Amino acid sequence: DIQMTQSPSSLSASVGDRVTITCRASQNIAGYLNWYQQKPEKAPKLLIYAASSLQSAVPSRFSGSGSGTDFTLTISSLQPEDFGTYYCQQSYSPPLTFGGGTKVEIK
Amino acid sequence: EVQLVESGGGLVQPGGSLRLSCAASGFIFSNYWMSWVRQAPGKGLEWVANIKQDGSEKNYVDSVKGRFTISRDNAKNSLYLQMNSLRAEDTAVYFCARVGGVRGPCNFWGQGNLVTVSS
Repeated sequence: DIQMTQSPSSLSASVGDRVTITCRASQNIAGYLNWYQQKPEKAPKLLIYAASSLQSAVPSRFSGSGSGTDFTLTISSLQPEDFGTYYCQQSYSPPLTFGGGTKVEIK
Repeated sequence: EVQLVESGGGLVQPGGSLRLSCAASGFIFSNYWMSWVRQAPGKGLEWVANIKQDGSEKNYVDSVKGRFTISRDNAKNSLYLQMNSLRAEDTAVYFCARVGGVRGPCNFWGQGNLVTVSS
């Protein structure tokens, strides 16, 4: 099985800060990497698919990059509504594993 | 409007069975792979299973193989998860999700349905 490792596990940042979350796969997954945002008691929401494609209606301050084993989610200017937990997921090979999550708090 | 509505959750004893359903609307259900994803209380997301458009291909996480069965009825626009031999560690909110293409992301999610396995 492909293991997905996210870092950091949590972070606290101010409005307007640039935030970066990383995700590492245990083997090459090409560009089959997705990013989700989840708020408490809500279903996850797709932000980025295929490593760098922005899902419809997602603000352009979110961006993704990477290929192979190393990937990054960047929030260019953190907004108050960006709190929540962010997960990466590989969709290269079943089981389609998720990373452990990164909890983002607004200072 | 795309909608996925899960049902069938609840409290069940260890060793028991439960069948989750997911009613889909607002899109052509038979055109999409579908997935189940779960989240134990206070924990992260865990992908459970997926199924191809015509039901001919199914995949499972190792921890549920032989106990859970994913299925679908395209005539009823419905996805199912039959869960047998339930264990305490299966306690979670179960989400159904629409998959965007082969090797695609879960691009639309239901609201989730809680399954509690406890005596």
